[in-house]
Amino acid sequence: QEKVQQSPESLIVPEGAMSSLNCTFSNSASQSIWWYQQHPGKGPEALISIFSNGNKKEGRLTVYLNRASLHVSLHIRDSQPSDSAVYLCAVNSAGNKLTFGIGTRVLVRP
Amino acid sequence: NAGVIQTPRHKVTGKGQEATLWCEPISGHSAVFWYRQTIVQGLEFLTYFRNQAPIDDSGMPKERFSAQMPNQSHSTLKIQSTQPQDSAVYLCASSLREYSGNTLYFGEGSRLIVV
Repeated sequence: QEKVQQSPESLIVPEGAMSSLNCTFSNSASQSIWWYQQHPGKGPEALISIFSNGNKKEGRLTVYLNRASLHVSLHIRDSQPSDSAVYLCAVNSAGNKLTFGIGTRVLVRP
Repeated sequence: NAGVIQTPRHKVTGKGQEATLWCEPISGHSAVFWYRQTIVQGLEFLTYFRNQAPIDDSGMPKERFSAQMPNQSHSTLKIQSTQPQDSAVYLCASSLREYSGNTLYFGEGSRLIVV
């Protein structure tokens, strides 16, 4: 069964700084890796996904995937107070369902 | 597009009672998923449907949980004889297809509290 672990558990960054989140997964044959954002009382919302080794950039978001080390990271440039949320790493495994990590709680201080 | 709609948003039920949660997926989406979210376990997969047919229910507690999708516009999750450990936020999600490249769109969830 796929296992997804995220670090750190929580992160406090000043407005304008970079937020860096990490995720490790257990199955190198996993297909796509997703990052979701979840605000209190809301459902998770997809931010960005990556399939191939390397990096992918979308706006202020950059994702790095290294399948050999089973590691993926998310970096949010110029963090804003509205970025304060829980960030969930999710791995698409057998059966096309997503397996989620527990999440990283990010607080961006103005 | 209203997104995935879940009702009720909050439900309090007594131990041993039945709880039914409803989900209306995004129109045109062929895959519907149910997840459960708790602080301790995070998001746990329960079951999913493709074109209304049950495909994978490997995450469902077998004895008291059941899910159905009688038509393309709604799915239900029923919990019989609810227990305190069933307290959680139950999330429904839909996607255009169930392939790995397709985005999962979540509803806001149904918070179930069993007292």
